[in-house]
Amino acid sequence: QVQLQESGPGLVRPSETLSLTCAVSGGSISSDYWSWIRQPPGKGLEWIGYIFYTGSTNINPSVKSRVTLSVDTSKKHFSLDLSSVTAADTAVYYCARLKIRGGNFDSWGQGTLVTVSS
Amino acid sequence: EIVLTQSPGTLSLSPGERATLSCRASQSVSSSYLAWYQQKPGQAPRLLIYGASSRATGIPDRFSGSGSGTDFTLTISRLEPEDFAVYYCQQFGSSPLFTFGPGTKVDIK
Repeated sequence: QVQLQESGPGLVRPSETLSLTCAVSGGSISSDYWSWIRQPPGKGLEWIGYIFYTGSTNINPSVKSRVTLSVDTSKKHFSLDLSSVTAADTAVYYCARLKIRGGNFDSWGQGTLVTVSS
Repeated sequence: EIVLTQSPGTLSLSPGERATLSCRASQSVSSSYLAWYQQKPGQAPRLLIYGASSRATGIPDRFSGSGSGTDFTLTISRLEPEDFAVYYCQQFGSSPLFTFGPGTKVDIK
């Protein structure tokens, strides 16, 4: 069973870039789509974007100008960069496996809280 | 953008009771692309139902999904103590490609 683990700084200063990595284990990174989803404290879920192992991406228009997704198949991880962050970007960030044929997220990391504050 | 609305916001029930959760879409959603998730405090969401009515791996049969078009339902036939949580519906197919409803909290009466 695939397992996902997010890693990265828990605190980012306003206007800087939030960078997170998701390590994939127990399965092949080259056979699925991989996604980032976030959840502000006490609020609902927002899909950020997905990446295929080839590097093909699709990103939510609400953050498209600020988001870069990348994948490293040799290291079995994929990454999120979110630039020019503000307090509104404070959230728990989840990585998840996307089953594109069904359009659902069947495996999730435990999530990592990123706070944007000076 | 397809907006998903969930009702009620909170459902207060006792163990053993039946829970009926609603998810309504602002535009028609393909049944193939409607999913439900359960989230407990401090945990990641867990996929329960996909394709509107198919249970994900390991999900007990007390969970069932139904619906089509703009109206979908998640039913928990008999609530177990571990079922008290927040439930989200999610659609795939309209920009943004994936959206979630605001959630229904099922708490203990």
